[in-house]
Amino acid sequence: DVKVTQSSRYLVKRTGEKVFLECVQDMDHENMFWYRQDPGLGLRLIYFSYDVKMKEKGDIPEGYSVSREKKERFSLILESASTNQTSMYLCASSTPGQPGAFFGQGTRLTVV
Amino acid sequence: GIQVEQSPPDLILQEGANSTLRCNFSDSVNNLQWFHQNPWGQLINLFYIPSGTKQNGRLSATTVATERYSLLYISSSQTTDSGVYFCAATPGAGSYQLTFGKGTKLSVIP
Repeated sequence: DVKVTQSSRYLVKRTGEKVFLECVQDMDHENMFWYRQDPGLGLRLIYFSYDVKMKEKGDIPEGYSVSREKKERFSLILESASTNQTSMYLCASSTPGQPGAFFGQGTRLTVV
Repeated sequence: GIQVEQSPPDLILQEGANSTLRCNFSDSVNNLQWFHQNPWGQLINLFYIPSGTKQNGRLSATTVATERYSLLYISSSQTTDSGVYFCAATPGAGSYQLTFGKGTKLSVIP
């Protein structure tokens, strides 16, 4: 089974802090994604990556950046956390050779 | 990009009842998936179903790609079926970005 692991289930950070959310997948997938989930809005794509060192903006990239130095790891960075970034963050991976995308367990981030 | 709409937004069922969840999409899609999000936030893959019909136990799904909709059927519902059901799709070949609907929140009561 594909395993996508996010480094934290719950995280509390202060406004202005730099925040790193880590995601690791163990199936050698080329594609990795970061989504945020908010009540009433569903899941919205922040950034995605098709390969190492490659990144593409999704629908809501403002206030975020990403890093993919190794194929199995995709990091989401909040340069200066703000309260409106309080949300559930979900990482996913996929590969052209296998249908479907697979999600991690989610990180619930609270910015105070 | 494509638009994905789900209905109904909320559904309350008595245990043992059947239900149908609907997903409409605005354009042709290359990938259509149904997910169940459990109370702990984990998204569980239910079906990958860009066309046709699949069944897995009490759950089945049908996608009619030419008419741009997909249906998820839950039969003999159980309390453990509670949670949010999402439909997600990618546009034509070459794209892997899933666009999600806003979900159907299902509550199954004993």
